[in-house]
Amino acid sequence: SSELTQGPAVSVALGQTVRITCQGDTLGTYYASWYQQRPGQAPIVVISGQNIRASGIPDRFSGSRSGITASLTITGAQAEDEADYYCSSRDDFGIHLFGGGTKLTVL
Amino acid sequence: EVQLVQSGAEVKKPGESLKISCKGSGYKFSDFWITWVRQMPGKGLEWMGIIYVGDAHARYGPSFQGQVTISVDGSINTAYLHWSSLKASDTATYYCARMQGGSLSWTFDHWGQGTLVTVSS
Repeated sequence: SSELTQGPAVSVALGQTVRITCQGDTLGTYYASWYQQRPGQAPIVVISGQNIRASGIPDRFSGSRSGITASLTITGAQAEDEADYYCSSRDDFGIHLFGGGTKLTVL
Repeated sequence: EVQLVQSGAEVKKPGESLKISCKGSGYKFSDFWITWVRQMPGKGLEWMGIIYVGDAHARYGPSFQGQVTISVDGSINTAYLHWSSLKASDTATYYCARMQGGSLSWTFDHWGQGTLVTVSS
């Protein structure tokens, strides 16, 4: 079955740039969406499709894809960006899946 | 304003049945898909399945096929997640979300607040 692989954790200094990656065969066909989940809260969509920011999401968030790897980049990370980030996509059979999540720490 | 409001927390015993709900408002409910996502304590998001409200056609993730049933009542804009016999390992927070998109890009653009299900003897 298909899988999406994310690194478990990444840290970034306040105001610096960080990239979170997601790798999977399905990403060669389908775009990833990215979700932010703060502790105790429901996830919210951050980026979908070809780098489309969801309503209310700051422009420091951007998405990209190269081959079978999707990336979420935060340019000028802020303290409030500290959260878990998940990628998701689907396969050719209409089965959706999430990556394992990446915990972002802002130092 | 699009909203998905889920039913409240549940405490159940193993072997009991349960149905939790997700009520949509602020959009044409029948035009979208509703998905269910599990999050076990301290763990990541897991896609359980999805239903198209317009025809009630449901599809399940491999780990959840035969374990849960997803249904919908379009007349009251509500989707459901049902267990016929709960296990302790079903203890988790369950989220519903609306899916939109097409072709090569799909996204879960609005989420419910989550329903905590605790299964314990």
